Amino acid sequence: QVQLVQSGAEVKKPGSSVKVSCKASGGTFSSYTISWVRQAPGQGLEWMGRIIPILGIANYAQKFQGRVTITADKSTSTAYMELSSLRSEDTAVYYCARGGSSSFHWFDPWGQGTLVTVSS
Amino acid sequence: QSALTQPRSVSGSPGQSVTISCTGTSSDVGGYNYVSWYQQHPGKAPKLMIYDVSKRPSGVPDRFSGSKSGNTASLTISGLQAEDEADYYCCSYAGSYVFGGGTKLTVL
Repeated sequence: QVQLVQSGAEVKKPGSSVKVSCKASGGTFSSYTISWVRQAPGQGLEWMGRIIPILGIANYAQKFQGRVTITADKSTSTAYMELSSLRSEDTAVYYCARGGSSSFHWFDPWGQGTLVTVSS
Repeated sequence: QSALTQPRSVSGSPGQSVTISCTGTSSDVGGYNYVSWYQQHPGKAPKLMIYDVSKRPSGVPDRFSGSKSGNTASLTISGLQAEDEADYYCCSYAGSYVFGGGTKLTVL
């Protein structure tokens, strides 16, 4: 049974960067894809990108290209999402989830979410 | 990519059935059989309810079913229960992934 546990809430200044972690337990980390999805307050879900740990290859939604970096550390079964040049509109809950690949075009399970607040 | 179109809200009484639609284009919903549905209770992470248009993960009640016709996918919940009250999101593969805007289900 795969479980994903994310790092805690962050408060950041505009223009800075944030790095959120997602630690997996159960299953074989390298064999599945980890996606990142965000949800602004009162808004819907938005896919940001994914990484295939076994290949170390990441793909990003066009909207976030150049601002987001998704990495994975196979030795600790942890995926990371770093978002730079933060602005107030980036205030959201950021979720990691298994899935988003040619084998699994769905997301399950999800991490508990990490609230990132961007405020001066 | 534009978000998929869902009704903002639907409602039904306990025991009734409701259907939530999710309309896209031939580049997403209509082009692939990779539509999934998620249930989200307030303050909680989304939960997978349906994948690949109509498949149900283990543990999801068979009251939940999915279908697709052309560019529109649908989630039907039969025998409504109080605990079904939540937000529901559809998602489609489209080269990347696009979500719907979400539908709030109220159980009257």
